[in-house]
Amino acid sequence: GDQVEQSPSALSLHEGTDSALRCNFTTTMRSVQWFRQNSRGSLISLFYLASGTKENGRLKSAFDSKERRYSTLHIRDAQLEDSGTYFCAAGNTGNYKYVFGAGTRLKVIA
Amino acid sequence: NAGVIQTPRHKVTGKGQEATLWCEPISGHSAVFWYRQTIVQGLEFLTYFRNQAPIDDSGMPKERFSAQMPNQSHSTLKIQSTQPQDSAVYLCASSLSYEQYFGPGTRLTVL
Repeated sequence: GDQVEQSPSALSLHEGTDSALRCNFTTTMRSVQWFRQNSRGSLISLFYLASGTKENGRLKSAFDSKERRYSTLHIRDAQLEDSGTYFCAAGNTGNYKYVFGAGTRLKVIA
Repeated sequence: NAGVIQTPRHKVTGKGQEATLWCEPISGHSAVFWYRQTIVQGLEFLTYFRNQAPIDDSGMPKERFSAQMPNQSHSTLKIQSTQPQDSAVYLCASSLSYEQYFGPGTRLTVL
């Protein structure tokens, strides 16, 4: 079945640095949604993209509009509150359900 | 807008008992999804409804699990004869189109 490969699986960043998370799809996907799961387990939606890029503060996400086989999430000037587990979820054409990546556990350290 | 509401937040059952999990979607959303999260399997799709009709239950275990959406304001996930391997966080999401909004989840522990 459709697979979503998320990398890296874990990441430590110093405050103020930048990084990028990536999701690769084994097949062409219709859309992607990025989430951060907080310490209470809630999935907080960061971005939903059907194409192109979106930016919100220090976060920016892109979805490969040509082949629709990967998406990235960039974190600029990382802060302690960015710590958490980040998930991407992709939807295939013809159905509405999501396939999730395994997540990236991000820890921002002072 | 209260977001997606899930009750209870935590449930502990004994092996062999029944567990019913409730989800109230965002008002006006036409689709409701159920997912399960475990350490080993990660986030897995279970089933979804659109306009109260079951559309895809390909992720549901064939035995003991059932889901219903009797009206547009709530959906239930029922697990009969619960087993320890059913322990997980069960997440409900709703959507108007493709973007999904998740509830806080129900943590089910089967002893």
